[in-house]
Amino acid sequence: ETGVTQSPTHLIKTRGQQVTLRCSSQSGHNTVSWYQQALGQGPQFIFQYYREEENGRGNFPPRFSGLQFPNYSSELNVNALELDDSALYLCASSHVGTESYEQYFGPGTRLTVT
Amino acid sequence: GEDVEQSLFLSVREGDSSVINCTYTDSSSTYLYWYKQEPGAGLQLLTYIFSNMDMKQDQRLTVLLNKKDKHLSLRIADTQTGDSAIYFCAERTFVGSQGNLIFGKGTKLSVKP
Repeated sequence: ETGVTQSPTHLIKTRGQQVTLRCSSQSGHNTVSWYQQALGQGPQFIFQYYREEENGRGNFPPRFSGLQFPNYSSELNVNALELDDSALYLCASSHVGTESYEQYFGPGTRLTVT
Repeated sequence: GEDVEQSLFLSVREGDSSVINCTYTDSSSTYLYWYKQEPGAGLQLLTYIFSNMDMKQDQRLTVLLNKKDKHLSLRIADTQTGDSAIYFCAERTFVGSQGNLIFGKGTKLSVKP
């Protein structure tokens, strides 16, 4: 069984630029959630995708957007990067119909905005 | 709103038991989770408990839930140096229809030889 993978591992961008992060779900999972983890903090929910549609969003502005593809992989796009966007971005996959709703996380993408 | 709180640090000696505590606010939470994060890594799901349970044991891990006080704890028996990591408590909420997780800030566990 393949776990959740993310790419790239690290990324450095300049303020105002745009970035795309990628995630491949664990085999058999159909839901992807994205989280932002600032240094020294717990992960914060950005949004979730199910059946290729956004299915819930946390307290993040519209410049954070995403996609889910038919193979359940996903992208997180962030436009007009700000210094505060520097964080570890985590993708988690899960399967609808699993009552306990376990979410399995990838290793994350470390984004640095200068 | 929902909030999850944890103490930030815990230091124990190898072989002792560790107890990491967490309080949450959402009384409608159905599931509560413990995750482990090692330096530079993602989150590893350790265990979870359903809200109608008081206790769950899984090898060296014991989860205790006091629903009345909204208090959750994770006990690690015979703590090893490899258990040194940050431990996150999380509750399930329903911002998305499939649910999402709200995390505490994490408890950094240091295990001394």
